[in-house]
Amino acid sequence: GQNIDQPTEMTATEGAIVQINCTYQTSGFNGLFWYQQHAGEAPTFLSYNVLDGLEEKGRFSSFLSRSKGYSYLLLKELQMKDSASYLCAVPHSGGYQKVTFGIGTKLQVIP
Amino acid sequence: NAGVTQTPKFRVLKTGQSMTLLCAQDMNHEYMYWYRQDPGMGLRLIHYSVGEGTTAKGEVPDGYNVSRLKKQNFLLGLESAAPSQTSVYFCASSRASSSYNSPLHFGNGTRLTVT
Repeated sequence: GQNIDQPTEMTATEGAIVQINCTYQTSGFNGLFWYQQHAGEAPTFLSYNVLDGLEEKGRFSSFLSRSKGYSYLLLKELQMKDSASYLCAVPHSGGYQKVTFGIGTKLQVIP
Repeated sequence: NAGVTQTPKFRVLKTGQSMTLLCAQDMNHEYMYWYRQDPGMGLRLIHYSVGEGTTAKGEVPDGYNVSRLKKQNFLLGLESAAPSQTSVYFCASSRASSSYNSPLHFGNGTRLTVT
């Protein structure tokens, strides 16, 4: 089966850097997604990692360690608009893009 | 380009009533999904479809039925609504991929309350 753990809430200051962690257990690893979800809105895709290491995409970076079952999302130069929930998700083995989501980490950015 | 469109946005039902949630996508995606999102539970897969005329059960299928008569549409039905089905429902679509890297594109959600 699939199991995903991430902190439920975090608070960080505008302009700072924040790291949101995700640990996962899966019977077959097929990559890991991060999504952003603003309150009352739909989740939107941020990143996909399948190989170990850090992938940078502007102010957002995502890291993966397959041996440790661990990923993190790094947000730099935080802005107020980054206040949102960040969802970690892993696809099932089976070929049909069935995805298990973590409960999400609600990030509050304060002035 | 509208992406994934869900209707309605809000609905209140009484226990035992039925309704259908509509989802349409204009990205020519092969796969479509229905998720529900509840506080402290995360997104959970209800049913999904890998092509026109095919559907399959997800993690929490009981009390729901689906149909995909056209590639662009995926309908979610509640035959006899229960208070436990109070939730936010998201439709999503993705292209077919053998490498699991195809992201989900979500609709804006339907907030359903069953009293």
